[in-house]
Amino acid sequence: DVVMTQSPLSLPVILGQPASISCRSSQSLVHSDGNTYFNWFQQRPGQSPRRLIYKVSNRDPGVPDRFSGSGSGTDFTLKISRVEAEDVGFYYCMQGTHWPWTFGQGTKVEIK
Amino acid sequence: QVQLVQSGAEVKKPGTSVKVSCKASGYTFISYGISWVRQAPGQGLEWMGWISASNGMTNYPQNLQGRVTMTTDTSTSTAYMELRSLRSDDTAVYYCARALGDYWGQGTLVTVSS
Repeated sequence: DVVMTQSPLSLPVILGQPASISCRSSQSLVHSDGNTYFNWFQQRPGQSPRRLIYKVSNRDPGVPDRFSGSGSGTDFTLKISRVEAEDVGFYYCMQGTHWPWTFGQGTKVEIK
Repeated sequence: QVQLVQSGAEVKKPGTSVKVSCKASGYTFISYGISWVRQAPGQGLEWMGWISASNGMTNYPQNLQGRVTMTTDTSTSTAYMELRSLRSDDTAVYYCARALGDYWGQGTLVTVSS
């Protein structure tokens, strides 16, 4: 199985400051069809997960442009340009290239 | 608008089975697969499998093979996830999601307790 390793696991942030989460996969996430099925999800307290980013760098509809995704192959990053209070929660990376699909352990973002 | 509405909370005894439903609306059901994801209390997300809504093809992780079955009813645009031989560590919130997670259900709490 592809292992997804996130860092850090806990991220205290200052409102208005940038934040960054890294995710590394144990093997390349480039699919045979040429796409990289790598996603980022946000889970606010008490809510269902919400997808923020699909195929590495594409924002889902309604996702604020302060969220951006980048990376390739095995190394990926989620950046928040200016953290807002509503960004508190857990963030998970997920790969959908190889069966079984797998999630990272999650990163807890909290306000410092 | 796309919605996935799941069935209500369940309390089950160890060794029994649970079947969770996920009714889709707002899109053409057979055009997307359905994923199932669970989250144990205080833990992260675990992918449980995927089913094609067009042909019923499934893919399950090895750790759930033989215990989980995913099905769909295209006449009612509903997906189902059945988990058998329940254990206490199956206690979790179970989510359905469209395809690679662009829409999610509200979650169904399944508690396994004697």
